[in-house]
Amino acid sequence: GENVEQHPSTLSVQEGDSAVIKCTYSDSASNYFPWYKQELGKRPQLIIDIRSNVGEKKDQRIAVTLNKTAKHFSLHITETQPEDSAVYFCAASRGSGYSTLTFGKGTMLLVSP
Amino acid sequence: NAGVTQTPKFQVLKTGQSMTLQCAQDMNHNSMYWYRQDPGMGLRLIYYSASEGTTDKGEVPNGYNVSRLNKREFSLRLESAAPSQTSVYFCASSEAWPSGNEQFFGPGTRLTVL
Repeated sequence: GENVEQHPSTLSVQEGDSAVIKCTYSDSASNYFPWYKQELGKRPQLIIDIRSNVGEKKDQRIAVTLNKTAKHFSLHITETQPEDSAVYFCAASRGSGYSTLTFGKGTMLLVSP
Repeated sequence: NAGVTQTPKFQVLKTGQSMTLQCAQDMNHNSMYWYRQDPGMGLRLIYYSASEGTTDKGEVPNGYNVSRLNKREFSLRLESAAPSQTSVYFCASSEAWPSGNEQFFGPGTRLTVL
């Protein structure tokens, strides 16, 4: 089955800095890569996703890049703000039929004012 | 439009007791999922239901059973709870591909087994 590795497990940055979280996956048939944000005590929520026919996708201060050859994808957050502090999860799936998501173990991002 | 709802929010059980976690969604989604979340382990899939009338095992199904009661409701049952099942349980739902695989999560149930 799919295996998703996520690094780093914790990341501390100063407000205004950029943050990068990286994930690798094992199943070359995976073609859907979402990122979820989970604030303390809350439910995970989708913040951005990318499909295998796209190399990069941006949404305001967040972007995701995908390298299918190397089987890795990354989340980039620019101009970080204290409200970006949360746990971020990457995930991967084949995106076919009733596919399931395999999640990474999460990255706790702390943004200090 | 409540999205995905779960009951109860908190529960404490003794070893060997049984209980059912309830989940419902009002988004007319076909697929529903049960995850457990443990510190440092991310979200691990317990069971899922691709469509009404079907259920399948996920990564960590041992000690659990599920029922897809109808299109809206998907329950998770612990027949004989063990301390290793102490966790936060999330239910989620999604439309089937190719509409998109975004999963919408419920608020979670925090379960402690003593």
